[in-house]
Amino acid sequence: AQRVTQPEKLLSVFKGAPVELKCNYSYSGSPELFWYVQYSRQRLQLLLRHISRESIKGFTADLNKGETSFHLKKPFAQEEDSAMYYCALNTNAGKSTFGDGTTLTVKP
Amino acid sequence: GAGVSQTPSNKVTEKGKYVELRCDPISGHTALYWYRQSLGQGPEFLIYFQGTGAADDSGLPNDRFFAVRPEGSVSTLKIQRTERGDSAVYLCASSPVGTPNSGANVLTFGAGSRLTVL
Repeated sequence: AQRVTQPEKLLSVFKGAPVELKCNYSYSGSPELFWYVQYSRQRLQLLLRHISRESIKGFTADLNKGETSFHLKKPFAQEEDSAMYYCALNTNAGKSTFGDGTTLTVKP
Repeated sequence: GAGVSQTPSNKVTEKGKYVELRCDPISGHTALYWYRQSLGQGPEFLIYFQGTGAADDSGLPNDRFFAVRPEGSVSTLKIQRTERGDSAVYLCASSPVGTPNSGANVLTFGAGSRLTVL
């Protein structure tokens, strides 16, 4: 069965510091991976997906099939990046398995 | 509409009662999903519709849970004989059809319906 693990429940960094939110997955098929974000009092929304290979709000994520990881990175964190981040593995159409999330706090 | 709309936003009910939660997806999105999110956890898949039919209902926890989408647009999640363990935020999402490169499989979520069973 598929599984997504986000080992850090809470992550706190200072503004301007690099940040990395970890995500590991287990899946026997070809994975399609996403990062979703939920800002305070807002809906869960897509941040980025591995298939696009793009940078969104300065965030990037590289799929590493050898390590079964899809870590989210940003070189210089901003206060507005404070939010809950979820890694998700899509296995069939939009049927996704989500991790339990990491709360990122960026301190001034 | 402009986004995925869910009603009610909050529902408090008593154990044993029947509850209906409604979802109105983005116009033109043929795929619709229900997820459940308990405190401190990520969303958990319940069921997904492609058009009017349930393409995958493997996430429904038991036969007290049922969902319909009779006209391929609005969906209703129905919970019979509610239990305290059903308390959670129920999220609805929709997505377009097509290829992954065109945006298929990207979930657009509603604000959720928070269910509290006393």
